[in-house]
Amino acid sequence: GQNIDQPTEMTATEGAIVQINCTYQTSGFNGLFWYQQHAGEAPTFLSYNVLDGLEEKGRFSSFLSRSKGYSYLLLKELQMKDSASYLCAGLDSNYQLIWGAGTKLIIKP
Amino acid sequence: IAGITQAPTSQILAAGRRMTLRCTQDMRHNAMYWYRQDLGLGLRLIHYSNTAGTTGKGEVPDGYSVSRANTDDFPLTLASAVPSQTSVYFCASSPDSSYNEQFFGPGTRLTVL
Repeated sequence: GQNIDQPTEMTATEGAIVQINCTYQTSGFNGLFWYQQHAGEAPTFLSYNVLDGLEEKGRFSSFLSRSKGYSYLLLKELQMKDSASYLCAGLDSNYQLIWGAGTKLIIKP
Repeated sequence: IAGITQAPTSQILAAGRRMTLRCTQDMRHNAMYWYRQDLGLGLRLIHYSNTAGTTGKGEVPDGYSVSRANTDDFPLTLASAVPSQTSVYFCASSPDSSYNEQFFGPGTRLTVL
């Protein structure tokens, strides 16, 4: 079966660094997406990885290990506005996204 | 219109009624998708369309139907609503059905009583 696992909730402090992990099992693999979703809003795209390694985009970075079926999203210099849910999604062999339930990130001052 | 829009924003519906959720995009994207999002669960694909004139079933298609008469519009119809269809519904689009990111509409919050 296809499955995406990520922690339900994490808490971090403003200004700190947090790493949100995601493990995936998909039928075939065409890449791994991370989306941000603020409460009551639509998901918005953060990153896409298809090759192993780290992709850096400002304060956010995403890592992929295809051999381990593992990804993480790294958020640096946390700001209060980063309080949101972070959704991990794997793109399967039919180019359909398989979504995790999301990690709710709570930022404390 | 800029991007992708959905209507209505929210709706309370009696069980057994028919309801159509509207979705329109102005980005000339070929692929469009309907998801439902329920607390504690990931987004689940209901139906998709890779290009105008074609549609396909996703993970949870039962009780829903779609049409794609043109590039811009992708309505989702609940023929006879049931309480288990209470959810937040998101429409999304992408340039094509492969590696591209998906752009999401603001969502429709549907309650079936």
